[in-house]
Amino acid sequence: EPEVTQTPSHQVTQMGQEVILRCVPISNHLYFYWYRQILGQKVEFLVSFYNNEISEKSEIFDDQFSVERPDGSNFTLKIRSTKLEDSAMYFCASTYTNYGYTFGSGTRLTVV
Amino acid sequence: GQQVMQIPQYQHVQEGEDFTTYCNSSTTLSNIQWYKQRPGGHPVFLIQLVKSGEVKKQKRLTFQFGEAKKNSSLHITATQTTDVGTYFCAGLGSSNTGKLIFGQGTTLQVKP
Repeated sequence: EPEVTQTPSHQVTQMGQEVILRCVPISNHLYFYWYRQILGQKVEFLVSFYNNEISEKSEIFDDQFSVERPDGSNFTLKIRSTKLEDSAMYFCASTYTNYGYTFGSGTRLTVV
Repeated sequence: GQQVMQIPQYQHVQEGEDFTTYCNSSTTLSNIQWYKQRPGGHPVFLIQLVKSGEVKKQKRLTFQFGEAKKNSSLHITATQTTDVGTYFCAGLGSSNTGKLIFGQGTTLQVKP
């Protein structure tokens, strides 16, 4: 069964550093998303991406965040200057038609 | 903003007992999706409900969507230890970006 692949699985970074989280969505999917989950809490929407542009972003997705699909397959989330409160599990998800989303296994980001 | 509430937060049952989790949205939903997240894992799509009053079954799992398309439930009959995990409902809002709004989840523990 096709999978969404995320790398790295765990990233530790110092506060103020930039991080890039990488995702390879399922190849024929059209809609791409980033969600995050703080430990023990619900899954929160960050941003949706369609047709090579952001279609919606949440209040969490401020100027420190950006997304790119640099080569037509990879889908990246960049956090320019990490804060302690950015520590969370970040999930990439993709879907073809908004019916059922396939989530990646996540990147656990720890900001120290 | 649009909110999805889910209860209970935790449920401990004896193996063989039934389990139900309930989901309520502050607004009418286009559809509702259910996901299961095993401890340390990522959300895995279970099912999507679209029509008012819809009921769907997957083996021991029964999913319902309310008549007003604002509430939903998941019922598991005769729980097994493999049912352990957190069950999330996620509403697809009115925007056409595919943004999912997740409930807080219900964590199910099953005692053998």
